[in-house]
Amino acid sequence: AQSVSQHNHHVILSEAASLELGCNYSYGGTVNLFWYVQYPGQHLQLLLKYFSGDPLVKGIKGFEAEFIKSKFSFNLRKPSVQWSDTAEYFCAVNALPMYSSASKIIFGSGTRLSIRP
Amino acid sequence: NAGVTQTPKFQVLKTGQSMTLQCAQDMNHEYMSWYRQDPGMGLRLIHYSVGAGITDQGEVPNGYNVSRSTTEDFPLRLLSAAPSQTSVYFCASSSSGAYNEQFFGPGTRLTVL
Repeated sequence: AQSVSQHNHHVILSEAASLELGCNYSYGGTVNLFWYVQYPGQHLQLLLKYFSGDPLVKGIKGFEAEFIKSKFSFNLRKPSVQWSDTAEYFCAVNALPMYSSASKIIFGSGTRLSIRP
Repeated sequence: NAGVTQTPKFQVLKTGQSMTLQCAQDMNHEYMSWYRQDPGMGLRLIHYSVGAGITDQGEVPNGYNVSRSTTEDFPLRLLSAAPSQTSVYFCASSSSGAYNEQFFGPGTRLTVL
């Protein structure tokens, strides 16, 4: 069964620090990969996604993520964080079963990011 | 477009009571799903649907029922509420199935006493 691991449960950074949040998945086939963000009191929204092509994808608000197939990883990065980046970040994976028209998306447990002003 | 709407926003139940969480979307999305969000556990898939009349189980389906009689609506039914079902519930929808961006509703915060 597919699973998603986010090893950092809570990350605390100062403004202007660089950010990298880890995401690893377990599935040997073709995957689509996502990062979602949930700002305090709001519902989830998409930050970025990878389907195919260039493994370095850029999203909104200066975020980017790199898909490394050999490591089953899709880490999220931002060179310089701002206080407004305080939120919870979720990695998600959709595995594409070869013989099924239906598939589902599985989320990681989330990483809470706190930015000190 | 209203997007994905959920009602109610908050609900308190007693153990053993039943209720239905409503979810509707006006984007003509075929794929809809229900998640529960618990601290430290992220979002866990309860049930999903790839179109009207078709539903399937996710990771944590026990204690929940769904049906999909129309493209727009995907209600989640709690048959006999238990304190373990205290959680925040999110409904999501997507075009092109689970392999595309999910659009989330605002959530329902459910407390079971």
